Amino acid sequence: QQPVQSPQAVILREGEDAVINCSSSKALYSVHWYRQKHGEAPVFLMILLKGGEQKGHDKISASFNEKKQQSSLYLTASQLSYSGTYFCGTEDSGGSNYKLTFGKGTLLTVNP
Amino acid sequence: EAQVTQNPRYLITVTGKKLTVTCSQNMNHEYMSWYRQDPGLGLRQIYYSMNVEVTDKGDVPEGYKVSRKEKRNFPLILESPSPNQTSLYFCASSLYAGAFNTEAFFGQGTRLTVV
Repeated sequence: QQPVQSPQAVILREGEDAVINCSSSKALYSVHWYRQKHGEAPVFLMILLKGGEQKGHDKISASFNEKKQQSSLYLTASQLSYSGTYFCGTEDSGGSNYKLTFGKGTLLTVNP
Repeated sequence: EAQVTQNPRYLITVTGKKLTVTCSQNMNHEYMSWYRQDPGLGLRQIYYSMNVEVTDKGDVPEGYKVSRKEKRNFPLILESPSPNQTSLYFCASSLYAGAFNTEAFFGQGTRLTVV
């Protein structure tokens, strides 16, 4: 079952902040975040493992709340280059389910 | 350069004509997978392969076959393509899967149109 991402789309002006959420109905082992620019392949941003670890990548960071089965991606002081579609991918806990299931994506547009 | 290479990038074919989309990675990755991307549906996994000995269905395997005869290659086969298989396809690889999952590297995509 696909994780649910919200919002579906967001429009920002350069310098503004955004939060993208990802939630699952299943217990999660890890959450992955990818960004895809129009006409290109998805590109890896970060992985968060269960344990509530928060990671950062330049001005992009993420958190993982294992109990709530949720992850959030934080984009701070957005730049034009942040525009694209963001996907979360979830890996279920359980050990034998070696599938990375992606959400439907959040389209982020950063305007000057 | 570390990469995942898909071919062809664009393909228009007719219903029922068998086709193969090739995928090759040069990073010695164990795990490879195929996704299709459709507007509003995100990336959906078709098949995945843990290693050359283990291949399994993803979420949308109907109408597709795969083969993993060697570590670096993972072709996607459509025995009898239908218009509902018109989509953008991505191959991806990662060093491991499961508990040791690492980042996935994606190919540049294959845009398939079945008429």
